[in-house]
Amino acid sequence: NAGVTQTPKFRILKIGQSMTLQCTQDMNHNYMYWYRQDPGMGLKLIYYSVGAGITDKGEVPNGYNVSRSTTEDFPLRLELAAPSQTSVYFCASSRTSGGISTDTQYFGPGTRLTVL
Amino acid sequence: QKEVEQDPGPLSVPEGAIVSLNCTYSNSAFQYFMWYRQYSRKGPELLMYTYSSGNKEDGRFTAQVDKSSKYISLFIRDSQPSDSATYLCAMGGGVGGGFKTIFGAGTRLFVKA
Repeated sequence: NAGVTQTPKFRILKIGQSMTLQCTQDMNHNYMYWYRQDPGMGLKLIYYSVGAGITDKGEVPNGYNVSRSTTEDFPLRLELAAPSQTSVYFCASSRTSGGISTDTQYFGPGTRLTVL
Repeated sequence: QKEVEQDPGPLSVPEGAIVSLNCTYSNSAFQYFMWYRQYSRKGPELLMYTYSSGNKEDGRFTAQVDKSSKYISLFIRDSQPSDSATYLCAMGGGVGGGFKTIFGAGTRLFVKA
């Protein structure tokens, strides 16, 4: 199993450009997540999905969009990039969520994005 | 008040030392508690998982949860240079806590050989 894979690893965008961050998992997990990690700020949830066709906003969704057409893929779209979106983006997946069941999240290696 | 508070460090210790990492939280609904380890320029990976209160041991690592004090700890015995990483506490679940996992900001640990 490759686990959670993300592309690209690095990207520099100009203000106002758009891009899609790709995320794929091969563990047949139903839950998938997008986080951003800023220095000293921990992981902030951008969007999450509980299954194909179902997505919802997290803590910091503004400026981003997601879709989930398959169990495996969960791309994150940045529209009109702004310097405030400079961050490291992590995709994660889990088998179940909350309650008594384990909520172990498996993370991808991250995408480092700089907006200039 | 932040839902989770974690001292960002950095914490620098000599090889072989016992390391204590801590987090406090405010939401009494949290039911499960985790520690993730993140090496530089890598994604976080789960290190320890605990449900409700108590201790859990795995090799050199011990996780403690004190729900009455809303305080969790991770102890590393006989620390090694390979333990140098950022350690993130995480918690979630339970009524009122929803399903989302809340992460601490992470503590940077350096273990000197």
